[in-house]
Amino acid sequence: DTAVSQTPKYLVTQMGNDKSIKCEQNLGHDTMYWYKQDSKKFLKIMFSYNNKELIINETVPNRFSPKSPDKAHLNLHINSLELGDSAVYFCASSLEGIGADPIRSQYFGPGTRLLVL
Amino acid sequence: GQNIDQPTEMTATEGAIVQINCTYQTSGFNGLFWYQQHAGEAPTFLSYNVLDGLEEKGRFSSFLSRSKGYSYLLLKELQMKDSASYLCAVRRADSWGKLQFGAGTQVVVTP
Repeated sequence: DTAVSQTPKYLVTQMGNDKSIKCEQNLGHDTMYWYKQDSKKFLKIMFSYNNKELIINETVPNRFSPKSPDKAHLNLHINSLELGDSAVYFCASSLEGIGADPIRSQYFGPGTRLLVL
Repeated sequence: GQNIDQPTEMTATEGAIVQINCTYQTSGFNGLFWYQQHAGEAPTFLSYNVLDGLEEKGRFSSFLSRSKGYSYLLLKELQMKDSASYLCAVRRADSWGKLQFGAGTQVVVTP
């Protein structure tokens, strides 16, 4: 059973294009995240949604627009792709609200490897 | 802000013990996590500390000292499959679920 899934797994595209990455979780979690992991393997949070509401918005170019149609889905749309956007993008989820255990660990999806040429 | 420091790489032989240190500076500390990430894969949760002391889970143990802003992950009886990157992450009390990650420590286990 897949807990956190992302599509596509690989994405190769030209500079200037617009692309989307989709994420779904079946864990019943109320909070979802997008992280970017660069070539130096540094994992940095970009956005977080709780029950479809944006709660974390780090300093990310406005070319990146997250959308959460429901609490089980968090998509990431990127406009006008640039070379520096090449990275692995991880979706994650956790249960933060009512019913959460004290640990509230985050579960990560398999990642989307984006290469901008 | 938060600064999280951990060594870049460590090498150890199969069967040995390795200790990965992590130091952090943060306001409103609300827990420290260790994640394991194999090459090309997603990070997976290993351990969590919010109170001072040692948490043991099989071959892996994690220690926390809040007053020193210090944690370590101890890997015992190293196996080849333990070769991976180990990420230290801190959660703040004033941020809903947000984790700040260190750059990760690449552990290489040799025969």
